[in-house]
Amino acid sequence: QKEVEQDPGPLSVPEGAIVSLNCTYSNSAFQYFMWYRQYSRKGPELLMYTYSSGNKEDGRFTAQVDKSSKYISLFIRDSQPSDSATYLCAMSVWRVRVGTSYGKLTFGQGTILTVHP
Amino acid sequence: DSGVTQTPKHLITATGQRVTLRCSPRSGDLSVYWYQQSLDQGLQFLIQYYNGEERAKGNILERFSAQQFPDLHSELNLSSLELGDSALYFCASSALVDEQFFGPGTRLTVL
Repeated sequence: QKEVEQDPGPLSVPEGAIVSLNCTYSNSAFQYFMWYRQYSRKGPELLMYTYSSGNKEDGRFTAQVDKSSKYISLFIRDSQPSDSATYLCAMSVWRVRVGTSYGKLTFGQGTILTVHP
Repeated sequence: DSGVTQTPKHLITATGQRVTLRCSPRSGDLSVYWYQQSLDQGLQFLIQYYNGEERAKGNILERFSAQQFPDLHSELNLSSLELGDSALYFCASSALVDEQFFGPGTRLTVL
């Protein structure tokens, strides 16, 4: 079993729809959670990161973390064709004493999203 | 543009050969990370360097090695290449451990 599971999709939605992307994880030591967006033939681009349970909002994007269920989500409101990409969740173990993550990121497989005009 | 540069963009080589991938981190970033992305394994952490010293190792094969130089650029050396080494290789850098910025990647094809 992989430490991080992510439905690869593909996911196809009409423009303006609300998109929900999800990941589950098994390692309780993961305390730092990120979402990356990767366009075809490009490097991953950091969208959002969060350390705590609950919601974090940034424009049309909301990241949600439920540590008790080991489940994280990314919501995209008013989706646009330019949002068409692969979305990768990533997580890292947290070094409590130092107050930073270990740096090694463990990624999900990525979900391919297509937003149709 | 993340500010991380990688060369070359594409590399085609034969089995058994050795190649070197190069990464220049964002200005001021002391940490460099290498990742491998393949269709079956996804994006996997290989190794991390911080200011010239190895910090963490992931699923890096013994045929692979890396180093970070005094000017902070890094090189990933892949030797005795096999067909299965064909993948995208990404370098990322960070000032804060918590925010890693990825380069555009090097696409390696082993024939």
